[in-house]
Amino acid sequence: GAVVSQHPSRVICKSGTSVKIECRSLDFQATTMFWYRQFPKQSLMLMATSNEGSKATYEQGVEKDKFLINHASLTLSTLTVTSAHPEDSSFYICSARDFVGQETQYFGPGTRLLVL
Amino acid sequence: GQNIDQPTEMTATEGAIVQINCTYQTSGFNGLFWYQQHAGEAPTFLSYNVLDGLEEKGRFSSFLSRSKGYSYLLLKELQMKDSASYLCAVRGSGGYQKVTFGIGTKLQVIP
Repeated sequence: GAVVSQHPSRVICKSGTSVKIECRSLDFQATTMFWYRQFPKQSLMLMATSNEGSKATYEQGVEKDKFLINHASLTLSTLTVTSAHPEDSSFYICSARDFVGQETQYFGPGTRLLVL
Repeated sequence: GQNIDQPTEMTATEGAIVQINCTYQTSGFNGLFWYQQHAGEAPTFLSYNVLDGLEEKGRFSSFLSRSKGYSYLLLKELQMKDSASYLCAVRGSGGYQKVTFGIGTKLQVIP
């Protein structure tokens, strides 16, 4: 199946710093990428949807100025958590969908963020 | 919006069959997914249903009834490695066809 990678897999940072997470589709062109966040013992919550070359669409309650999303190419999307705080500590997972086979969404392995 | 309900926990015996139910109420529907998620890992795709009926794939089968807003995932010949969370997710019919997840059912397989 299609492969989606994320980098880094784990990051620890100090409060107030910014963290960038990359999501890449390795063997297909991802017209749409989704960013999810998952807190312990909870389900995946959609944060935002991005299409290549256009602005991301954020879900209600997600601050677009805090979670910057860039989808500059058909194989790369980035999520930047700006001025991170301990409450932003979570498991961030990206997901990508190609155009030809829109049936399935493929998930990256996730990035575990810990803000001290 | 989307509202997805599934049991939070289930326990089943190795070698047995278990059925995990999912009900949903949505403003638009364009398919239902089942994903498996082991602790600390990202979800992996199990099945996708968009038409009514049963889809069988090895030990795993998934059923959908659109009129009832109901799906189930059937796991046969349970193995210890099947212990995981199983997420029911519904894709909407809006422009981006967003996928919304249920809380997940944590399945524990016991010897």
